[in-house]
Amino acid sequence: DGGITQSPKYLFRKEGQNVTLSCEQNLNHDAMYWYRQDPGQGLRLIYYSQIVNDFQKGDIAEGYSVSREKKESFPLTVTSAQKNPTAFYLCASNRQLSGNTIYFGEGSWLTVV
Amino acid sequence: KQEVTQIPAALSVPEGENLVLNCSFTDSAIYNLQWFRQDPGKGLTSLLLIQSSQREQTSGRLNASLDKSSGRSTLYIAASQPGDSATYLCAVRGETSGSRLTFGEGTQLTVNP
Repeated sequence: DGGITQSPKYLFRKEGQNVTLSCEQNLNHDAMYWYRQDPGQGLRLIYYSQIVNDFQKGDIAEGYSVSREKKESFPLTVTSAQKNPTAFYLCASNRQLSGNTIYFGEGSWLTVV
Repeated sequence: KQEVTQIPAALSVPEGENLVLNCSFTDSAIYNLQWFRQDPGKGLTSLLLIQSSQREQTSGRLNASLDKSSGRSTLYIAASQPGDSATYLCAVRGETSGSRLTFGEGTQLTVNP
């Protein structure tokens, strides 16, 4: 089945560690996105990519990094510079920049221990 | 800066009731508006996408309307069922925001049997 796969579902990070969240899609979508969701709040955009080897900062990019080496993959690294990383992270994709439905993965929970 | 507000934050209704969820946005220069459903600990599922030139969209028991000039959208759910219990989020894509979606904080709906 086509869709977006995020892994791991649950991840624990120690202070000072970098961790990477995986996002893979087999929908042949051009654009991919990473959002952060805190409890009881809406989604905030971290990074997005419109095409391979290109990406742009969203509203809360500090402390995060991404790469887009393949069309299907858009991993997110949460670096030690991100002071409050505990949150629910959602990856999404769509076919074009605008006008089309955006599809989401099932999310990854990151907790700092 | 676009701001999206959803009222009420939470709503509890008995099964079978018709209900309306509200979404308002401050900048009417939007490309489209999308309604999503989110179950606890899960990703978002797209329900309806309304382009700026459209007034409404329907899918089964769901009907979404858009009044772009007044910055408002409503999601009407007919004959509500316990399975409709979830958080409903709206998001807008601005005409000048490229791929960015601005999300509301959502309405948490509980349908009681």
